[in-house]
Amino acid sequence: DTGVSQNPRHKITKRGQNVTFRCDPISEHNRLYWYRQTLGQGPEFLTYFQNEAQLEKSRLLSDRFSAERPKGSFSTLEIQRTEQGDSAMYLCASSLNRGVTGELFFGEGSRLTVL
Amino acid sequence: DAKTTQPPSMDCAEGRAANLPCNHSTISGNEYVYWYRQIHSQGPQYIIHGLKNNETNEMASLIITEDRKSSTLILPHATLRDTAVYYCIVRAPLSGNTPLVFGKGTRLSVIA
Repeated sequence: DTGVSQNPRHKITKRGQNVTFRCDPISEHNRLYWYRQTLGQGPEFLTYFQNEAQLEKSRLLSDRFSAERPKGSFSTLEIQRTEQGDSAMYLCASSLNRGVTGELFFGEGSRLTVL
Repeated sequence: DAKTTQPPSMDCAEGRAANLPCNHSTISGNEYVYWYRQIHSQGPQYIIHGLKNNETNEMASLIITEDRKSSTLILPHATLRDTAVYYCIVRAPLSGNTPLVFGKGTRLSVIA
């Protein structure tokens, strides 16, 4: 059973650079979510997709953040012109939109450090 | 989604039951109670969910009060590997298109 896979696991970059994270969900899952987590806080919702459609993006932190899921399978989260405040763990989760509840399966996360 | 209140931290002796409380006094009739946990340096992991009946699975039991304003997650025989942050979340069913909103959770430390 292949779980949610995120790459890279760690990224160190200089302020002002662009970074991209990739998430490969569980294969039959049609929903994909991105969260951000800073130290001592719970995960903060950013955006989510159902298949290739981005259904919620108002909580993306700024226009420097964008996400895509072009073929309804893997997704990318891009941060342009990174700032030190972007340093965080970026978590991806997937779920099946079936039935009532649809538990989320999370990946291990991608940790970003902006110098 | 209704807001939840959890104690910031708790300790539990290894082998004893860990009882983690959660208050959700503004929960709506169609909102479920979910519990997730996050072990250090890992993504959150689903534990259990319920609407109004008590639920049990291989990981834990969930006790929801009759008025649904609070619940308790029970780990019957805590082990050191249960040390984690536990999140109580309430949300409407999937059809409402609402994401899971995490608070700060309860940091459970299981002590040998």
